[in-house]
Amino acid sequence: AQKITQTQPGMFVQEKEAVTLDCTYDTSDPSYGLFWYKQPSSGEMIFLIYQGSYDQQNATEGRYSLNFQKARKSANLVISASQLGDSAMYFCAMREPRGSSASKIIFGSGTRLSIRP
Amino acid sequence: GAVVSQHPSWVICKSGTSVKIECRSLDFQATTMFWYRQFPKQSLMLMATSNEGSKATYEQGVEKDKFLINHASLTLSTLTVTSAHPEDSSFYICSAIKRPGGLKDTQYFGPGTRLTVL
Repeated sequence: AQKITQTQPGMFVQEKEAVTLDCTYDTSDPSYGLFWYKQPSSGEMIFLIYQGSYDQQNATEGRYSLNFQKARKSANLVISASQLGDSAMYFCAMREPRGSSASKIIFGSGTRLSIRP
Repeated sequence: GAVVSQHPSWVICKSGTSVKIECRSLDFQATTMFWYRQFPKQSLMLMATSNEGSKATYEQGVEKDKFLINHASLTLSTLTVTSAHPEDSSFYICSAIKRPGGLKDTQYFGPGTRLTVL
């Protein structure tokens, strides 16, 4: 069974600083995909970044980068130059292949990030 | 980008009544839709996976007779909470993908429906 662990229930960061949100995962499948989503107070789920287990380089999307350490089974999200609008819940998630069937995304418990002005 | 809508965005009902929540993919055909529920300050828990034209696959511990899912077309899936009770009060979120199988397939999320059962 797959498992996603986010050990930081909440974090406070000063505006313009970089922040790292931790995520570890557990799977026995060599092929998997890792995701980060942002959920502001409105409730919508916003896709941020994706990392495939076979990707050679760490994924980057604008101010978001994923620190993928496969041997340690960690996929930490790094947000550079944090902004007030980054305050939200952040979820790490994983998907395993299911052949021709649609494979589900399983979420971690989330980290609530608060940016201080 | 692909858009998924949910209706209603919030609903309040009396205990014992049934509530139907609709999930629509507005600009794409969704072969698969997922239903999640989220309690306050908690994570999203997958309830079931529905494929167009076939029965939904429920996660362990989810009562299929209580949470009826119908995926009648490639753009519409419905979740009916039957005989709702206060413990069913939650935030229900649907998501959809265009095609199954790809690890990187983007899962598009709806805005969620907040259900309150009195």
